[in-house]
Amino acid sequence: QSALTQPPSASGSPGQSVTISCTGTSSDVGGYNYVSWYQQHPGKAPKLILYEVNKRPSGVPDRFSGSKSGNTASLTVSGLQAEDEADYHCSSYAGSNNFAVFGGGTKLTVL
Amino acid sequence: QVQLVESGGGVVQPGGSLRLSCVASGFNFRNFGMHWVRQAPGKGLEWVGFRRYDGRDEVFAASVKGRFSISRDNSKNTLYLQMNSLRTEDTAVYYCAKPWIREALDYWGQGTLVIVSS
Repeated sequence: QSALTQPPSASGSPGQSVTISCTGTSSDVGGYNYVSWYQQHPGKAPKLILYEVNKRPSGVPDRFSGSKSGNTASLTVSGLQAEDEADYHCSSYAGSNNFAVFGGGTKLTVL
Repeated sequence: QVQLVESGGGVVQPGGSLRLSCVASGFNFRNFGMHWVRQAPGKGLEWVGFRRYDGRDEVFAASVKGRFSISRDNSKNTLYLQMNSLRTEDTAVYYCAKPWIREALDYWGQGTLVIVSS
Protein backbone atom coordinates (compact mmCIF):
# COMPACT_ATOMS: atom_id res chain seq x y z
CA GLN A 1 0.00 0.00 0.00
CA SER A 2 1.63 3.25 -1.13
CA ALA A 3 1.52 6.39 0.96
CA LEU A 4 -0.92 9.13 0.03
CA THR A 5 0.61 12.08 -1.81
CA GLN A 6 0.75 15.49 -0.14
CA PRO A 7 2.73 18.57 -1.15
CA PRO A 8 5.79 18.91 1.10
CA SER A 9 5.05 22.52 1.92
CA ALA A 10 2.36 25.20 1.86
CA SER A 11 2.24 28.76 3.08
CA GLY A 12 -0.02 31.74 3.57
CA SER A 13 -0.20 35.05 5.37
CA PRO A 14 -2.25 35.64 8.51
CA GLY A 15 -5.93 35.91 7.69
CA GLN A 16 -5.58 34.15 4.35
CA SER A 17 -6.81 30.70 3.42
CA VAL A 18 -4.64 27.79 2.36
CA THR A 19 -5.61 24.39 0.94
CA ILE A 20 -3.57 21.22 1.24
CA SER A 21 -4.27 18.27 -1.04
CA CYS A 22 -4.01 14.55 -0.34
CA THR A 23 -4.10 12.21 -3.32
CA GLY A 24 -4.62 8.49 -3.14
CA THR A 25 -6.30 5.83 -5.25
CA SER A 26 -9.68 4.20 -5.61
CA SER A 27 -8.52 1.66 -3.01
CA ASP A 28 -8.26 4.26 -0.30
CA VAL A 29 -9.29 7.93 -0.60
CA GLY A 30 -11.56 7.35 -3.57
CA GLY A 31 -13.15 4.22 -2.17
CA TYR A 32 -14.28 5.39 1.24
CA ASN A 33 -15.47 8.52 3.00
CA TYR A 34 -12.96 7.88 5.74
CA VAL A 35 -10.29 10.52 5.39
CA SER A 36 -8.76 12.16 8.44
CA TRP A 37 -6.39 15.06 8.99
CA TYR A 38 -3.93 15.60 11.79
CA GLN A 39 -2.04 18.66 12.97
CA GLN A 40 1.40 18.10 14.48
CA HIS A 41 3.53 20.76 16.13
CA PRO A 42 7.28 20.11 16.46
CA GLY A 43 8.09 17.52 19.09
CA LYS A 44 4.42 16.82 19.78
CA ALA A 45 2.06 13.97 19.03
CA PRO A 46 -0.39 14.40 16.16
CA LYS A 47 -3.81 15.88 16.93
CA LEU A 48 -6.94 14.81 15.06
CA ILE A 49 -8.59 17.85 13.43
CA LEU A 50 -10.90 16.27 10.83
CA TYR A 51 -12.41 12.82 10.32
CA GLU A 52 -14.83 11.30 7.83
CA VAL A 53 -13.61 13.88 5.30
CA ASN A 54 -15.19 16.97 6.84
CA LYS A 55 -16.22 16.36 10.44
CA ARG A 56 -14.48 18.19 13.26
CA PRO A 57 -13.88 16.72 16.72
CA SER A 58 -15.09 18.80 19.62
CA GLY A 59 -12.87 21.81 20.23
CA VAL A 60 -11.44 22.10 16.72
CA PRO A 61 -12.15 25.56 15.26
CA ASP A 62 -14.42 25.76 12.22
CA ARG A 63 -11.55 27.47 10.37
CA PHE A 64 -10.54 23.91 9.52
CA SER A 65 -12.63 22.27 6.82
CA GLY A 66 -12.31 19.28 4.53
CA SER A 67 -13.59 18.01 1.23
CA LYS A 68 -13.05 15.18 -1.21
CA SER A 69 -13.35 14.74 -4.94
CA GLY A 70 -12.52 11.41 -6.53
CA ASN A 71 -9.18 10.19 -5.25
CA THR A 72 -8.15 13.55 -3.78
CA ALA A 73 -9.06 14.96 -0.39
CA SER A 74 -8.34 18.51 0.71
CA LEU A 75 -7.86 20.39 3.95
CA THR A 76 -8.60 24.11 3.97
CA VAL A 77 -7.43 26.36 6.77
CA SER A 78 -9.23 29.71 6.69
CA GLY A 79 -8.27 32.86 8.55
CA LEU A 80 -4.71 31.64 9.06
CA GLN A 81 -3.26 32.27 12.48
CA ALA A 82 0.31 31.99 13.70
CA GLU A 83 -0.51 28.91 15.77
CA ASP A 84 -1.65 27.08 12.63
CA GLU A 85 2.01 26.74 11.61
CA ALA A 86 2.57 23.00 11.89
CA ASP A 87 2.83 19.79 9.92
CA TYR A 88 -0.44 18.41 8.55
CA HIS A 89 -0.94 14.73 7.77
CA CYS A 90 -3.83 13.07 5.97
CA SER A 91 -4.89 9.46 6.36
CA SER A 92 -7.44 7.22 4.72
CA TYR A 93 -9.08 3.93 5.48
CA ALA A 94 -7.75 1.38 2.99
CA GLY A 95 -9.92 -1.68 3.52
CA SER A 96 -9.86 -4.51 6.04
CA ASN A 97 -6.54 -5.97 4.84
CA ASN A 98 -4.50 -2.76 4.85
CA PHE A 99 -6.64 -0.72 7.21
CA ALA A 100 -4.97 2.69 7.03
CA VAL A 101 -2.52 4.70 4.98
CA PHE A 102 -1.01 8.11 5.71
CA GLY A 103 0.29 10.87 3.51
CA GLY A 104 3.86 12.13 3.66
CA GLY A 105 2.88 15.28 5.55
CA THR A 106 2.78 18.97 4.59
CA LYS A 107 4.64 21.69 6.46
CA LEU A 108 2.41 24.76 6.69
CA THR A 109 4.22 28.05 7.17
CA VAL A 110 2.38 31.19 8.24
CA LEU A 111 4.31 34.03 6.68
CA GLN B 1 -8.84 12.10 30.93
CA VAL B 2 -7.50 9.71 28.32
CA GLN B 3 -3.80 8.98 28.63
CA LEU B 4 -1.54 6.71 26.63
CA VAL B 5 2.03 6.22 27.83
CA GLU B 6 4.53 4.33 25.69
CA SER B 7 7.80 2.88 26.91
CA GLY B 8 10.44 0.39 25.87
CA GLY B 9 12.23 2.29 23.13
CA GLY B 10 15.99 2.33 22.82
CA VAL B 11 18.93 1.44 20.63
CA VAL B 12 19.06 -2.03 19.09
CA GLN B 13 21.27 -3.64 16.49
CA PRO B 14 19.94 -4.69 13.09
CA GLY B 15 18.36 -8.12 13.36
CA GLY B 16 17.55 -7.59 17.01
CA SER B 17 14.25 -7.47 18.87
CA LEU B 18 12.46 -5.00 21.08
CA ARG B 19 9.10 -4.90 22.84
CA LEU B 20 7.23 -1.65 23.31
CA SER B 21 4.46 -1.12 25.85
CA CYS B 22 1.58 1.32 25.96
CA VAL B 23 -0.35 1.79 29.19
CA ALA B 24 -3.82 3.26 28.74
CA SER B 25 -6.04 5.08 31.22
CA GLY B 26 -9.13 7.25 31.24
CA PHE B 27 -11.26 5.06 28.99
CA ASN B 28 -12.54 1.49 28.81
CA PHE B 29 -9.46 -0.02 27.18
CA ARG B 30 -10.98 -3.49 26.76
CA ASN B 31 -13.68 -2.06 24.46
CA PHE B 32 -11.29 -0.56 21.91
CA GLY B 33 -9.05 -1.94 19.24
CA MET B 34 -5.72 -0.11 19.38
CA HIS B 35 -3.18 1.05 16.83
CA TRP B 36 0.54 1.59 16.50
CA VAL B 37 1.82 4.36 14.23
CA ARG B 38 5.44 5.34 13.64
CA GLN B 39 7.30 8.37 12.38
CA ALA B 40 10.85 8.18 11.06
CA PRO B 41 13.01 11.22 11.82
CA GLY B 42 11.90 14.15 9.67
CA LYS B 43 9.34 12.03 7.85
CA GLY B 44 5.59 11.56 7.75
CA LEU B 45 3.45 9.19 9.76
CA GLU B 46 3.25 5.51 8.88
CA TRP B 47 0.49 3.25 10.15
CA VAL B 48 2.06 0.09 11.60
CA GLY B 49 -0.71 -2.16 12.85
CA PHE B 50 -3.94 -2.72 14.76
CA ARG B 51 -5.16 -5.22 17.34
CA ARG B 52 -8.87 -5.83 17.91
CA TYR B 53 -10.39 -5.05 21.30
CA ASP B 54 -10.71 -8.74 22.13
CA GLY B 55 -7.28 -9.62 20.77
CA ARG B 56 -8.71 -11.98 18.17
CA ASP B 57 -7.35 -10.29 15.08
CA GLU B 58 -4.49 -8.08 14.02
CA VAL B 59 -3.64 -6.28 10.80
CA PHE B 60 -0.23 -4.94 9.79
CA ALA B 61 1.34 -2.74 7.20
CA ALA B 62 3.20 -4.68 4.52
CA SER B 63 6.50 -3.15 5.67
CA VAL B 64 6.34 -4.92 9.04
CA LYS B 65 4.14 -7.95 8.37
CA GLY B 66 5.78 -11.15 9.57
CA ARG B 67 8.27 -9.28 11.77
CA PHE B 68 6.02 -7.35 14.18
CA SER B 69 3.18 -8.56 16.37
CA ILE B 70 0.72 -6.83 18.66
CA SER B 71 -0.65 -8.23 21.87
CA ARG B 72 -2.66 -6.79 24.71
CA ASP B 73 -3.38 -7.47 28.33
CA ASN B 74 -6.80 -6.05 29.05
CA SER B 75 -6.40 -6.75 32.77
CA LYS B 76 -3.44 -4.33 32.79
CA ASN B 77 -4.81 -1.86 30.22
CA THR B 78 -1.63 -2.44 28.27
CA LEU B 79 -0.87 -2.79 24.56
CA TYR B 80 2.39 -4.28 23.32
CA LEU B 81 4.33 -4.14 20.07
CA GLN B 82 6.83 -6.97 19.63
CA MET B 83 9.37 -6.06 16.97
CA ASN B 84 11.67 -8.76 15.59
CA SER B 85 14.26 -8.84 12.81
CA LEU B 86 14.64 -5.08 13.13
CA ARG B 87 16.06 -3.10 10.22
CA THR B 88 17.64 0.33 10.08
CA GLU B 89 14.51 1.59 8.32
CA ASP B 90 12.47 0.73 11.42
CA THR B 91 14.14 3.65 13.21
CA ALA B 92 11.29 5.91 14.28
CA VAL B 93 9.20 7.31 17.08
CA TYR B 94 6.49 4.77 17.79
CA TYR B 95 3.09 5.96 18.96
CA CYS B 96 0.16 3.99 20.26
CA ALA B 97 -3.19 5.52 19.44
CA LYS B 98 -6.85 5.06 20.30
CA PRO B 99 -9.36 4.95 17.45
CA TRP B 100 -12.31 7.33 17.16
CA ILE B 101 -14.09 6.17 14.03
CA ARG B 102 -12.61 3.69 11.54
CA GLU B 103 -9.03 4.84 10.89
CA ALA B 104 -9.34 8.20 12.69
CA LEU B 105 -7.22 8.25 15.86
CA ASP B 106 -8.34 10.68 18.54
CA TYR B 107 -5.77 10.10 21.28
CA TRP B 108 -2.05 9.50 20.92
CA GLY B 109 0.72 8.78 23.37
CA GLN B 110 3.87 10.88 23.54
CA GLY B 111 5.80 8.29 21.57
CA THR B 112 8.91 6.23 22.25
CA LEU B 113 12.03 6.39 20.08
CA VAL B 114 13.49 3.24 18.55
CA ILE B 115 16.90 3.46 16.91
CA VAL B 116 18.15 0.52 14.90
CA SER B 117 21.85 0.90 14.37
CA SER B 118 25.06 -1.05 14.57
